[in-house]
Amino acid sequence: AQSVTQLDSQVPVFEEAPVELRCNYSSSVSVYLFWYVQYPNQGLQLLLKYLSGSTLVKGINGFEAEFNKSQTSFHLRKPSVHISDTAEYFCAVRKGTGGGNKLTFGTGTQLKVEL
Amino acid sequence: NAGVTQTPKFQVLKTGQSMTLQCAQDMNHEYMSWYRQDPGMGLRLIHYSVGAGITDQGEVPNGYNVSRSTTEDFPLRLLSAAPSQTSVYFCATRPGQMNTEAFFGQGTRLTVV
Repeated sequence: AQSVTQLDSQVPVFEEAPVELRCNYSSSVSVYLFWYVQYPNQGLQLLLKYLSGSTLVKGINGFEAEFNKSQTSFHLRKPSVHISDTAEYFCAVRKGTGGGNKLTFGTGTQLKVEL
Repeated sequence: NAGVTQTPKFQVLKTGQSMTLQCAQDMNHEYMSWYRQDPGMGLRLIHYSVGAGITDQGEVPNGYNVSRSTTEDFPLRLLSAAPSQTSVYFCATRPGQMNTEAFFGQGTRLTVV
């Protein structure tokens, strides 16, 4: 079974500082990888996705993530955060073959941007 | 284009009561799913459907029923609510291709007392 680990439950950072949110997954087959953002009292919104090809994926709001197959990681980065980036971020994985509709989520990382 | 619409947004139930959480989509997506979100546990899959007339269990199906009579609607039924079902529930949809992302509704916050 696939699983997703987000080691950091909370990440505090000052505005305009860089940030990295870590995500590791376990799967023996090819996967599709996603990062979602959830603002307070909202649903989940897609930030970016890795399907195939280039390992560096760029998303909305200046975020990017790098797929590292050997380390089974898909860390999310932003070079300079803004106060409006305060939200919860979820990493998710779906098997490339089989597995039906099953999207497995990590437990989330709360990013708090401070002035 | 409303996307994925969940109703109600908030609900308080007494233990043992039943209710149905509604999910409707206007994107003609084949796949629909229900997740529950609990603090520190991320989102866990309750039930999903790969098309009208087809449903299957996810990770945490106990206490919940679903049906999919049309492409547009995927209601989630709680037959006898328990305090352990206090959670935020999200409906998600996506097209049939595997390499597509899921689209989420705004959620239903359910409290069982």
